[in-house]
Amino acid sequence: EAGVVQSPRYKIIEKKQPVAFWCNPISGHNTLYWYLQNLGQGPELLIRYENEEAVDDSQLPKDRFSAERLKGVDSTLKIQPAELGDSAVYLCASSFGTAPYEQYFGPGTRLTVT
Amino acid sequence: GEDVEQSLFLSVREGDSSVINCTYTDSSSTYLYWYKQEPGAGLQLLTYIFSNMDMKQDQRLTVLLNKKDKHLSLRIADTQTGDSAIYFCAESVSGNTPLVFGKGTRLSVIA
Repeated sequence: EAGVVQSPRYKIIEKKQPVAFWCNPISGHNTLYWYLQNLGQGPELLIRYENEEAVDDSQLPKDRFSAERLKGVDSTLKIQPAELGDSAVYLCASSFGTAPYEQYFGPGTRLTVT
Repeated sequence: GEDVEQSLFLSVREGDSSVINCTYTDSSSTYLYWYKQEPGAGLQLLTYIFSNMDMKQDQRLTVLLNKKDKHLSLRIADTQTGDSAIYFCAESVSGNTPLVFGKGTRLSVIA
């Protein structure tokens, strides 16, 4: 069974440019998460989807970040415009909505904003 | 609020046991998880424990939960060089909710 797929793995952009990350969850997983991981820190939630509905986006900086999960499968996270402080690893995870709700993570996208 | 604390570093000799500790503050945490992160990789789920359990063993891994003290530990028996990684403790209040992670413990295994 394929795991969570993310692309690109690495992205380097200049500040004020837009950037987008893509995630394909494990087949059948209805819950999808985007986490932000800063260097030396644990992941922190940005947004959680139940199928195509965003049910928890309180930590998403909505002035510059947006996300979508069309058809309840793949998801895209966008930043526009990017700032220097956005340099981090963006992790996507998915889970099947029954106990024990194990979340499976993708390899992440490492973003560097110069 | 939710908070998860871990010591940042642990160094052990190959073949010894490793014990990684974690404390959490949310007494309503239902599930507690241990994840492993190797350099440049995502997080790999190692094991989890439900809050009504005291202990869970899975091959070389033993998880102990002291709910009264809100203390969780992960013991790795016969630690190998391949166990070198960052280990994250995480809690979830109701399971299907976002995980709250600690900052991770970097385990170094000396051959």
